[in-house]
Amino acid sequence: HLQLQQSGPGVVKPSETLSLTCTVSGDSITSSSFYWGWIRQPPGEGLEWIGSIYYSGTTDYNPSLRSRASMSVDTSKNQLSLKLRPVTASDTAVYYCARQFGAWPHYFDYWGQGNLVTVSS
Amino acid sequence: DIQMTQSPSSLSASVGDRVSITCRASQDISTYLNWYQVKPGQAPRLLIYAASSLQSGVPSRFSGGGSGTDFTLSISSLQPEDFATYYCQQSYTSPLFTFGPGTRVDIK
Repeated sequence: HLQLQQSGPGVVKPSETLSLTCTVSGDSITSSSFYWGWIRQPPGEGLEWIGSIYYSGTTDYNPSLRSRASMSVDTSKNQLSLKLRPVTASDTAVYYCARQFGAWPHYFDYWGQGNLVTVSS
Repeated sequence: DIQMTQSPSSLSASVGDRVSITCRASQDISTYLNWYQVKPGQAPRLLIYAASSLQSGVPSRFSGGGSGTDFTLSISSLQPEDFATYYCQQSYTSPLFTFGPGTRVDIK
């Protein structure tokens, strides 16, 4: 059974770096059929796609976050990571990692539980 | 950019009611449309993919339809566990994706 376990700090200071990790169990992130995505939900708002990464390191980013976001994978640990810098209060959100089917219709079928990250001094 | 809208933004319904949510795209997206259920403190759940295909394990009271610019998510008989917020997601512009603003379903 596929599980995505997220980890990372709950509070990040303004202008610093938000770092999150997602550890996948029950399947290999090197599966050729899937990408791995990051999505966030600010308090009281809707879902926003941040970006997606393939195990080879190929990345796609939301244009609105491209200049500040960075994703990576560690195939030896079956992990993916997200960095966002510099952060502001508007980056306060629940952050999710998810598995993305790599071909049409590109759905996100398994999700992590989410990390609430608050940007505050 | 393709803009996604949903209506209504919220609705109140009773257990057993039939509920329908509309998602509209600003341009033709064929059937590149997926639906999710989000509850506070829980992982989001894929309900429908490719506009009308039911994800494995999702109850058959959920159904999706539409193509082009107009799509619908229906719940035939609302159950207590269905009170949540529902989002559509377009994948026409893959590898870039956008979600709709969400529809909150509350207990009347």
